[in-house]
Amino acid sequence: DAGITQSPRHKVTETGTPVTLRCHQTENHRYMYWYRQDPGHGLRLIHYSYGVKDTDKGEVSDGYSVSRSKTEDFLLTLESATSSQTSVYFCAIRNKYTGELFFGEGSRLTVL
Amino acid sequence: KQEVTQIPAALSVPEGENLVLNCSFTDSAIYNLQWFRQDPGKGLTSLLLIQSSQREQTSGRLNASLDKSSGRSTLYIAASQPGDSATYLCAVGTQGGSEKLVFGKGTKLTVNP
Repeated sequence: DAGITQSPRHKVTETGTPVTLRCHQTENHRYMYWYRQDPGHGLRLIHYSYGVKDTDKGEVSDGYSVSRSKTEDFLLTLESATSSQTSVYFCAIRNKYTGELFFGEGSRLTVL
Repeated sequence: KQEVTQIPAALSVPEGENLVLNCSFTDSAIYNLQWFRQDPGKGLTSLLLIQSSQREQTSGRLNASLDKSSGRSTLYIAASQPGDSATYLCAVGTQGGSEKLVFGKGTKLTVNP
């Protein structure tokens, strides 16, 4: 158990509404990641963070923003959700000693 | 751009069989390679991590190998069990300081009793 908690675990929302997903870690890891997983595409990196207020884009960052004001929390925001953002979102942390990634249980988002 | 391929996409074997899952990548300049397991509706569980300087790693019935020069990794599962049924994902860590992983699409393994 890498001490990663994602919330909410399930959410249904309507097109055009804002959505924020939260990733919380208890082990003070520097690197945190947001991935989305879709059938036929596998896991794709949205954004990642390498420290408080230090973030960068991944390969599918359009339509998403992130914030990290505290080491333990990494927030993913969809400013105006679209149906194409229906997906399962995974948060991950990177062990700074081994480079190993550990994942949360995922947040399933449905945009109607 | 690093690309990771896992073939086959699905595999069905009888219980007790030894099996090999394959992972190939296009850029040999990798930081590390990690194998994960994913059960339906669940998150990813890390199985094995191989650093770029290593050739293999073992954990119980699992053995992962890495050949950077040929851009390949294999995950060997000995004496397969129905509980091994899951999707297995390979991910390659890219160099350059960002420590990002590029994932394959996985191999769905079914072990039949």
